Parts: sequence; C-alpha cells; structure tokens
Amino acid sequence: EVQLVESGGGLVQPGRSLRLSCAASGFNFDDYAMHWVRQAPGKGLEWVSGISWNSGNIGYADSVKGRFTISRDNARNSLYLQMNSLRVEDTALYYCAKDIAGGLQLRGFDFWGQGTLVTVSS
Amino acid sequence: NFMLTQPHSVSESPGKTVTISCTRSSGSIASNYVQWYQQRPGSAPTTVIYADNQGPSGVPDRFFGSIDSSSNSASLTISGLETEDEADYYCQSCDGSTLVFGTGTKVTVL
Repeated sequence: EVQLVESGGGLVQPGRSLRLSCAASGFNFDDYAMHWVRQAPGKGLEWVSGISWNSGNIGYADSVKGRFTISRDNARNSLYLQMNSLRVEDTALYYCAKDIAGGLQLRGFDFWGQGTLVTVSS
Repeated sequence: NFMLTQPHSVSESPGKTVTISCTRSSGSIASNYVQWYQQRPGSAPTTVIYADNQGPSGVPDRFFGSIDSSSNSASLTISGLETEDEADYYCQSCDGSTLVFGTGTKVTVL
C-alpha cells in the first residue's frame, strides 16, 4: 500500500524559513517523480514543485520560484521542500504526491498524502 | 503558462449523469495527459482518472474521462450519480515541467 506522510508544518513568521518532509513507502520511490501541491484555506489546488526520480528534472510554480527548493533522498525514501522568505500568502495545507509514471517527465499524481499545515503570520 | 477552465458548479439527482468540462486556454489539450481529482470536504484529493481516460484500481467505472481536440477540452463524466460523489473535482495537465490545475468544479447531488 502506497503511503505518503508529510511533516514539518507549523506557524512561522513572514520572512522566515521552514522545511517540509515527506516519508514514502509501499512503492519503489526511486522510480518515480514526486511533487508538492498546496491548498490555501477555502481555495483550489495549486501545484508548487516537482522533481524527477533522479533530480535531473525540477519544476517550480512562478509563485515560489527563487524562494522554495525541492529535493529528494532516494536512500531514505524521502522528499523535501525547503521554504525560504515565507509570505502570508504561502499559508496553506501542503500535500506530497506521487507522479503517475516513471521517467524524467513531470505529469500528474496518482497518490496523495494527508498534508501538513503551514501558517505564515506575525 | 496556460489555464484550465472548469464550470464553477454542477448539480444533478442521484442516478443521473453529470459531465464536467475542462478547457485549455493555449496549447493542445491532446499534447499532454489530463488527470482528474476528487476532493471530498475535509479530505485530501484522490485520483479518479489519469492519462486522459485511465481509471486507478478501486475507482468505480462510473467515472469516465475523455479528450475533445475540436474544443480543446477534456471532460469527466460521472454516471449513476451517488451521494458519495458530492465533492470538488479538479482537472490537471502540464506543459514542459510546469503542472497546472483547473479552477475546480463543485458537484452537488440533489
């Protein structure tokens, strides 16, 4: 059974940093691209960032480019999101999601975690 | 980047059929796979269709995905509507290394 468990969320002041983690199990982690998707309170889904199986292909939404960094550790079956220069508008539930297929391309998601809440407020 | 536009809401009675459209603003809808996600209130999203028309295991075959190049849109059709289908639905596609979600559609089962 595929499991994705996010952690690292919390309350942080504007301008500060936070690092999210996602622990994956139940599939060959190093075969698949992985993603972060967020949802602000009462809003729709927003793709944040994705990373291919070998970290050779990485994409970011324009809203986080230059502030967020995605990475992965295949030996630890873990995905990370380093979030710097956080803004009030980054407040959201952050989901970890597995890509639908292997390879270098970022396509979409077939499994999702339950999310970790990030609140940016002074 | 392109946009994916969905109707804000649709509603229908149990047992009926609803279709949700997802129109791509630029670029061909057929050039990249389209996925559909269901999000019930208070829950994480789940995938109901991937790669345009493939259903994940465990998803009822009442969910059907399709692509229409003439209108540059994708559609999700839910037949035999059940109360448990009441949820928000999002389409999603990509362009290069950028992924985009649709605006979302609230499905209400009357």
